Amino acid sequence: NAGVTQTPKFRILKIGQSMTLQCAQDMNHNYMYWYRQDPGMGLKLIYYSVGAGITDKGEVPNGYNVSRSTTEDFPLRLELAAPSQTSVYFCASSYSSHTEAFFGQGTRLTVV
Amino acid sequence: QKEVEQDPGPLSVPEGAIVSLNCTYSNSAFQYFMWYRQYSRKGPELLMYTYSSGNKEDGRFTAQVDKSSKYISLFIRDSQPSDSATYLCAMSEEDSNYQLIWGAGTKLIIKP
Repeated sequence: NAGVTQTPKFRILKIGQSMTLQCAQDMNHNYMYWYRQDPGMGLKLIYYSVGAGITDKGEVPNGYNVSRSTTEDFPLRLELAAPSQTSVYFCASSYSSHTEAFFGQGTRLTVV
Repeated sequence: QKEVEQDPGPLSVPEGAIVSLNCTYSNSAFQYFMWYRQYSRKGPELLMYTYSSGNKEDGRFTAQVDKSSKYISLFIRDSQPSDSATYLCAMSEEDSNYQLIWGAGTKLIIKP
């Protein structure tokens, strides 16, 4: 029962570096999401996708990019990392926007 | 004013107590209401799901929605130390492309 798999679990980046956070799901869900969670702030939606080839911005998209070439994968790209991007990143998937969302284990990113 | 307000806590209660967790919201179009539980360093997991108004019960957990007051609650009976976690409310409109709006989460601590 893999569900939603995120890699890596932890990463330290230097300011200005780039990286890709990987996310894969094996439930054949059309909807996939990237959230960031800062302490005491709940979940903020970065980007979401309603199917392969379709992506859209969420609440906090600046500094990030996504692609969705397959149903299974939804990578999140950070270009020119900044300290403000230090956070825990969660990928999630669901059948639709108001059915259960399944979350990955999260990626703890620190930008120094 | 945030669309969804949730007291971040922490809320600390003794084992066996009845716990009441709450969220208020401003968007009268919300129809889907969810409670997620998040253990430390894990992704959120769906706990309760309610459509429109009314109550829903599942074991020790009861979810209530009062749309006239724009207020939702999660009750936990006979609370256990294993219930210690952060509880996040989330809600969405009927439109299938409208994304979940999340509360900030309430940290709950059950003392043995």
